Amino acid sequence: NAGVTQTPKFRILKIGQSMTLQCAQDMNHNYMYWYRQDPGMGLKLIYYSVGAGITDKGEVPNGYNVSRSTTEDFPLRLELAAPSQTSVYFCASSYDRGDKINLQETQYFGPGTRLLVL
Amino acid sequence: GQNIDQPTEMTATEGAIVQINCTYQTSGFNGLFWYQQHAGEAPTFLSYNVLDGLEEKGRFSSFLSRSKGYSYLLLKELQMKDSASYLCAVNYGQNFVFGPGTRLSVLP
Repeated sequence: NAGVTQTPKFRILKIGQSMTLQCAQDMNHNYMYWYRQDPGMGLKLIYYSVGAGITDKGEVPNGYNVSRSTTEDFPLRLELAAPSQTSVYFCASSYDRGDKINLQETQYFGPGTRLLVL
Repeated sequence: GQNIDQPTEMTATEGAIVQINCTYQTSGFNGLFWYQQHAGEAPTFLSYNVLDGLEEKGRFSSFLSRSKGYSYLLLKELQMKDSASYLCAVNYGQNFVFGPGTRLSVLP
């Protein structure tokens, strides 16, 4: 298994440009997440998905969009890049144990995408 | 709220034991997770607690007290490679909320 993969590893954008950060997992996890991590800070949840066709906002969704057409893929779209979106973006996936409280096993993280907006 | 607090930085000596605390102001969560993150890399899972008490995994142990609103990660027999950030995260169903992380430096 490749686990969680992300592309690209690094990207420089100009203000106002658009791009899509790709994320894929081959572990048949139904839960997927996008986080951003600013220097010296913890992870902030942008969007998450509990299954194909279902997405929901996290703590910092403004300026981003997501889609989940398949179990494997969860791309993150930046429509109008701004300097405030300079960050490291991590995609993660996890397995829902299916019990009543939706307790999840651990999240598995991709290697991250470093984005610089100038 | 879901405020999660951790000390910003800690320093310890190789071979020693260190305890990294995580306090939170929330309730009703499913579990509390600990992750290790080396500089420039992705977080990797260390341990998690659902019930109060101690969970031991080799050199790493994690403790949870829901009534007191805190958890800690205990690292024994510290090695230089343990120099990293340690993140605690609270799981609410589909959602994970992360603390700011504690940067641990292990000195020879």
